[in-house]
Amino acid sequence: DQQVKQNSPSLSVQEGRISILNCDYTNSMFDYFLWYKKYPAEGPTFLISISSIKDKNEDGRFTVFLNKSAKHLSLHIVPSQPGDSAVYFCAARADNYGQNFVFGPGTRLSVLP
Amino acid sequence: GAGVSQSPRYKVTKRGQDVALRCDPISGHVSLYWYRQALGQGPEFLTYFNYEAQQDKSGLPNDRFSAERPEGSISTLTIQRTEQRDSAMYRCASSLGRGSPLHFGNGTRLTVT
Repeated sequence: DQQVKQNSPSLSVQEGRISILNCDYTNSMFDYFLWYKKYPAEGPTFLISISSIKDKNEDGRFTVFLNKSAKHLSLHIVPSQPGDSAVYFCAARADNYGQNFVFGPGTRLSVLP
Repeated sequence: GAGVSQSPRYKVTKRGQDVALRCDPISGHVSLYWYRQALGQGPEFLTYFNYEAQQDKSGLPNDRFSAERPEGSISTLTIQRTEQRDSAMYRCASSLGRGSPLHFGNGTRLTVT
């Protein structure tokens, strides 16, 4: 039973357009969420995070939205660039369950020039 | 500054042998995590430490797996009597502590033949 789901294994977007990556979770105790980007042969790199007390966090071209009632978060990349092509992982943690982070299976984003 | 360093980068071993995987976290990072990642999946939690104390080892698959961090810095993940199903990418991550994101190393690719 996956607690963090990324239902789209892959996504293709034209350069300059918006990329929207989605993540759903089942554990209502999750209170801290992160997005990671991973290039081939490298470890995942931290991108952006959001705490459950917020519904939006923005950092440059990257914005994460959190909908707690729907147990859903999304990562928006605007405008998308070819260098954004990578696998994106969503991760979540429940504060009262310790510091264990649970990761989704990832979505492969391809930004086409 | 230096990131999380893992060694070896690749390890091929015969079934039944013991292996030790090493992780050198970012200097000053209190928390150290071990994850395992299968192809096409997200990282799967194994265990984590705060300083030298192992806080949670609920993700270790069985008693052939153990980890230590004796001086609160470098950590070793040991797999005894390896089996083919142990083949995976083993990732180490460190963080400043609760509420901080994880920073991953490039991983050790373990192949058990």
